[in-house]
Amino acid sequence: SQQGEEDPQALSIQEGENATMNCSYKTSINNLQWYRQNSGRGLVHLILIRSNEREKHSGRLRVTLDTSKKSSSLLITASRAADTASYFCATVMLQGAQKLVFGQGTRLTINP
Amino acid sequence: DTAVSQTPKYLVTQMGNDKSIKCEQNLGHDTMYWYKQDSKKFLKIMFSYNNKELIINETVPNRFSPKSPDKAHLNLHINSLELGDSAVYFCASSHNRNTEAFFGQGTRLTVV
Repeated sequence: SQQGEEDPQALSIQEGENATMNCSYKTSINNLQWYRQNSGRGLVHLILIRSNEREKHSGRLRVTLDTSKKSSSLLITASRAADTASYFCATVMLQGAQKLVFGQGTRLTINP
Repeated sequence: DTAVSQTPKYLVTQMGNDKSIKCEQNLGHDTMYWYKQDSKKFLKIMFSYNNKELIINETVPNRFSPKSPDKAHLNLHINSLELGDSAVYFCASSHNRNTEAFFGQGTRLTVV
């Protein structure tokens, strides 16, 4: 079954506002990763956060991880039209197969 | 210099045909993957190779046969194509199971 679930499935905000996307997962993880996919393109890695980390920043991106709740969030601050894309979380389980298990993604639309 | 490149980008073919998708990475990674993205954008792993050895075969029909001639290449051959095979197929690579993955631009396969 699918490891990650993302919330919301779609989000539409005005340029300049902050966007928050959430991801929940089911099993113990080694790390959790966030990816962006522009329409018709491949996935681009944004941030990797390990299970012993609680927060990570990269530019306008902030990722948090709560292993007790098995959840993560991605915050994009001061959004831009170019941030319009689908965002996916993916987990690498603590034990077992070497693979990324993806959530179903959040479709983010930034309105100018 | 494209890190992970896959060809072709688009593939339209008739049911029953056999087709191949090629993937190459120039990142020196040990691990390569094939993912399938369906019409609802859900990404699911198909195969994972580590140093040319198959380590994951995620209940994929045996009409799909991956081949890794060397660490930098992972090709996907599909026999007797069916309508349900229509999807976007992504190749990816990573240094190991606990690092970020780099994705190709995808191959949109349409079976008619």
